[in-house]
Amino acid sequence: DIAMIQSPDSLAVSLGERATINCKSSQSILYSSNNKNSLAWYQQKTGQPPRLLIYWASTRESGVPDRFSGGGSGTDFTLTISSLQTEDVAVYYCQQYNSLPLTFGGGTKVEIK
Amino acid sequence: EVQLVESGGDLVQPGGSLRLSCAASGFTFSDHYLDWFRQTPGKGLEWVGRIRNKADGYTTGYAASVKGRFTISRDDAKNSLYLQMNSLKIEDTAVYYCAKDSGVRPYFDSWGQGTLVTVSS
Repeated sequence: DIAMIQSPDSLAVSLGERATINCKSSQSILYSSNNKNSLAWYQQKTGQPPRLLIYWASTRESGVPDRFSGGGSGTDFTLTISSLQTEDVAVYYCQQYNSLPLTFGGGTKVEIK
Repeated sequence: EVQLVESGGDLVQPGGSLRLSCAASGFTFSDHYLDWFRQTPGKGLEWVGRIRNKADGYTTGYAASVKGRFTISRDDAKNSLYLQMNSLKIEDTAVYYCAKDSGVRPYFDSWGQGTLVTVSS
C-alpha cells in the first residue's frame, strides 16, 4: 500500500496570509500514461463531505478559487492557499489514486490565527 | 446537478449485518465506477471499496480491512449503489460515503452526505 504522510497536523494562519500543506507519498505515484502525478487534494468542512479541489497534483477543479494551487513532484507535494479566507477553515486531505488501495493523508486542520 | 444520497445507516450489534444504499442522479450512472469510503468521527478518510462499470465487468475491489465481510453491488437500472456489510465489528463504526469517480481516474468529484453506522452492544 502507498502511505501518504501529511504535515503539519494543524496550521493557524492570519487572514490574507499564505497557508502551505505538505503531502509525501511512500513511493512514486507517477501515472505512466500521461506522466502526471496521481494526487488529489480535498477540502472537508465540519459536517460536510470532502470536496475535490485539485487533481493530477496541480489541476484545479472547476469552481475552485484560484487562491488554491497544487504543486510538487516525485514523492513530495504541496497545497497552497495564497491568501487565507474565513471560508477556507477546514481539514485538507491528499489522496493518491495511482494504485489500489486508494489512500489518504491523515489530514491538516487549517484555522485562522 | 449530481446528487448522491446514502441511506441505511443504523445501530447494529457486533457480528450483525447492515445494507447501505446510495441513490444517484444527475449523471450517467452506468458509465462510472463508484466507491465507498468511511470516516471515523474525528478521524481521517478510509477507502472501503469500489465497483467498476459494465464495460469493465462490474468487478470489485476492497480494502483489506473489509475484504470477505463487505460486498459492493450496483443496479444501473435503478441508479443505485449498495454496500452489504456482514460480520460487523466495533471498528466499522463510521460515517459511510458513496462517491462518483471522475470518469478518468479514481479521484472523486461528487460525494454523498454520508450515513452513520454504529456498531455497539
